[in-house]
Amino acid sequence: TQLLEQSPQFLSIQEGENLTVYCNSSSVFSSLQWYRQEPGEGPVLLVTVVTGGEVKKLKRLTFQFGDARKDSSLHITAAQPGDTGLYLCAGVGGTSYGKLTFGQGTILTVHP
Amino acid sequence: EAQVTQNPRYLITVTGKKLTVTCSQNMNHEYMSWYRQDPGLGLRQIYYSMNVEVTDKGDVPEGYKVSRKEKRNFPLILESPSPNQTSLYFCASSPGDSYEQYFGPGTRLTVT
Repeated sequence: TQLLEQSPQFLSIQEGENLTVYCNSSSVFSSLQWYRQEPGEGPVLLVTVVTGGEVKKLKRLTFQFGDARKDSSLHITAAQPGDTGLYLCAGVGGTSYGKLTFGQGTILTVHP
Repeated sequence: EAQVTQNPRYLITVTGKKLTVTCSQNMNHEYMSWYRQDPGLGLRQIYYSMNVEVTDKGDVPEGYKVSRKEKRNFPLILESPSPNQTSLYFCASSPGDSYEQYFGPGTRLTVT
């Protein structure tokens, strides 16, 4: 079984602070996805990173895929209360084509 | 509206009583998948289907069955539910090789 270790599990910060969420594995993935989930809803895709070393920016969010395609990070600059939610990383492929492995999730709370 | 629908949204049942959770998507997606979400464990893939009549086990398939007779539907069957299957279940679909998941709204299942 492939594992994706996501850290930290909980993050409570003040508005305007920066933060980074990490997603690490010993397995190689063909791509890595990041989702955000709000209470009572299904996760919503934020971004997919495919190439080792790739960096993608989505406004104040920066996503990076490790060179070896085993790890990824999500950095949020100047967090806002609207960023509050559960963030999930998901590795695609690896040992089985079409299989997705999710991290445990990071619950982010941004206080005004 | 493009969407994934699940029914029922909430279900309370007793141990051993067979149940089916339906999932339907109107986006003509080839790929569909079922996940369960438990606190601290993130999302874990139960089964996935790359196409009609093709299904594969995810990380936690024990106690579940699926079928994919038509492209739009992917029901999840619990032949003999047990309390450890109490969870929040999500169905998802994906358009292609990227496996970017479009999630349904979730089904909260309680087995007593």
